[in-house]
Amino acid sequence: AQTVTQSQPEMSVQEAETVTLSCTYDTSESDYYLFWYKQPPSRQMILVIRQEAYKQQNATENRFSVNFQKAAKSFSLKISDSQLGDAAMYFCAYRSLVLDMRFGAGTRLTVKP
Amino acid sequence: DAGVIQSPRHEVTEMGQEVTLRCKPISGHDYLFWYRQTMMRGLELLIYFNNNVPIDDSGMPEDRFSAKMPNASFSTLKIQPSEPRDSAVYFCASKGSVSGNTIYFGEGSWLTVV
Repeated sequence: AQTVTQSQPEMSVQEAETVTLSCTYDTSESDYYLFWYKQPPSRQMILVIRQEAYKQQNATENRFSVNFQKAAKSFSLKISDSQLGDAAMYFCAYRSLVLDMRFGAGTRLTVKP
Repeated sequence: DAGVIQSPRHEVTEMGQEVTLRCKPISGHDYLFWYRQTMMRGLELLIYFNNNVPIDDSGMPEDRFSAKMPNASFSTLKIQPSEPRDSAVYFCASKGSVSGNTIYFGEGSWLTVV
């Protein structure tokens, strides 16, 4: 079974600084998708960024970028120029081609003014 | 697009009562998912449908839980009878085969069973 591990229960960053959230996963498949979702206190699940495993280029969305290391099964999220509104729970998620989507335990990010 | 719509947003009920959570997926999406989020177990996939047909319900915790999708625009998750340990946030999500591989979530239904 696929598993997703987020080893950092909590992280903090100073406003305007950069922070990296870690995620590793376990799979025997070669084709799959990876996601980072943001969950603010309102409990919405907001897609931050996605990566297709067949793409070597790391995905980027404005201040959010990923470091996708397929061989190492690592998918970290980098948030640049952190803002107060970035404070939330961040979930790493893995989805296989058969749609069995699994989430990590989450990382709570605090942004200090 | 209105997004995935869930109701109720919050519900408090007494143990033993029946609870029905509702979901309207994004129009045109042919996959619908029900997730449960708790502090202890994180986000769990309960069940998902494809073209209104349940594909995988292995995540449904026990017989007290049931889910239906009578048509492409509506699904329910029912708990009968409810127990305090069912207290959680229940998310509905949908995905379209032709709209990429991203699953879009509703805002969740907060259930408290007392």
